[in-house]
Amino acid sequence: DQQVKQNSPSLSVQEGRISILNCDYTNSMFDYFLWYKKYPAEGPTFLISISSIKDKNEDGRFTVFLNKSAKHLSLHIVPSQPGDSAVYFCAASYHGGSQGNLIFGKGTKLSVKP
Amino acid sequence: AAGVIQSPRHLIKEKRETATLKCYPIPRHDTVYWYQQGPGQDPQFLISFYEKMQSDKGSIPDRFSAQQFSDYHSELNMSSLELGDSALYFCASSPREFGTQYFGPGTRLLVL
Repeated sequence: DQQVKQNSPSLSVQEGRISILNCDYTNSMFDYFLWYKKYPAEGPTFLISISSIKDKNEDGRFTVFLNKSAKHLSLHIVPSQPGDSAVYFCAASYHGGSQGNLIFGKGTKLSVKP
Repeated sequence: AAGVIQSPRHLIKEKRETATLKCYPIPRHDTVYWYQQGPGQDPQFLISFYEKMQSDKGSIPDRFSAQQFSDYHSELNMSSLELGDSALYFCASSPREFGTQYFGPGTRLLVL
């Protein structure tokens, strides 16, 4: 049973536009959420995180939004750049507001076209 | 900046053989996590260590064992390998228990 779901396996966006990657979760105990980016032959790279006490966290071009009532989070990338092309994993954990072991979604492959 | 180091990067073994994967965390990181990512799958948590003690356990088979040493590096020992063990094995480290996890490049294990 997949507790973290990324229902779009792929997304294609034009350079300069906004990329929106979505993630849904089923376990209401999750209290910390993270986005990782993964290039081929490399390990996941931490991008941005959000605690369940917040509904938005911003870091440069990356913003994560959390809707707890809908058990939904999204990652916005503005503006998108060709170098952003990668697989993006949503991950969640529950440890009283910190991060324990991570439960990952299956990933969304983002392609940013010049 | 120093990153998580995993060795070997690639490993080919035959069924019923054993394998040892090594992970060297970022300096001053005291927590290590192991994940397994099968083909087309999401990474699955196996086991974690904090200050050389096992802190959490996930879907790790009994054929696998792991430990964290005094220098904080960790080893994942896999015995009686099966075809289904073929996967990418990631190690991640964090600067404290429950800190942000930084992943290594992974070890790709192929069991023939």
